[in-house]
Amino acid sequence: NAGVMQNPRHLVRRRGQEARLRCSPMKGHSHVYWYRQLPEEGLKFMVYLQKENIIDESGMPKERFSAEFPKEGPSILRIQQVVRGDSAAYFCASSPGQSNQPQHFGDGTRLSIL
Amino acid sequence: DAKTTQPTSMDCAEGRAANLPCNHSTISGNEYVYWYRQIHSQGPQYIIHGLKNNETNEMASLIITEDRKSSTLILPHATLRDTAVYYCIYGGTSYGKLTFGQGTILTVHP
Repeated sequence: NAGVMQNPRHLVRRRGQEARLRCSPMKGHSHVYWYRQLPEEGLKFMVYLQKENIIDESGMPKERFSAEFPKEGPSILRIQQVVRGDSAAYFCASSPGQSNQPQHFGDGTRLSIL
Repeated sequence: DAKTTQPTSMDCAEGRAANLPCNHSTISGNEYVYWYRQIHSQGPQYIIHGLKNNETNEMASLIITEDRKSSTLILPHATLRDTAVYYCIYGGTSYGKLTFGQGTILTVHP
């Protein structure tokens, strides 16, 4: 999965704290996607962003979760007041945005809530 | 959401070809078929995609039926490192979400 960089690889938070997950897309890619994989489940789409715009957030929980992709810097997935159920692997993908070009994924951030 | 049907699991002997089928009967004319795999808990890895014609790259070959309702991913000489969950997906992947199903668990054994 060379190219899409996610950090941290592992993140531990206590209930009620905030979690910030970062994603730097592949060079030349202006579209970023976030997915979540709960333990023993499949990947689920969360949000799709272009620079400074949220295009589709249909998979984002209504509360506590937000995402941004600023003009400069990485995309950030922010989870406020984390709960045990937020424990999961969070994957970021990027694409150039041209028709039919595939998304490429990072290696994810494993979030554990104590 | 775009829906595909894949076998839950398959086995393959090392060195032999692995043929992974996928049904996508509701695909529309301008939607591509994409294949990804996920090895253990790593991020999904893109393998190959196609529209109508058969495609081949350094990883695999993709055979799409003429009516485009099904396809087969072929790993020509499977190795132990090809053991993974393989996902067949179609839709507007570059412009929106990928919908992952349960995929096929491919186990390559010695």
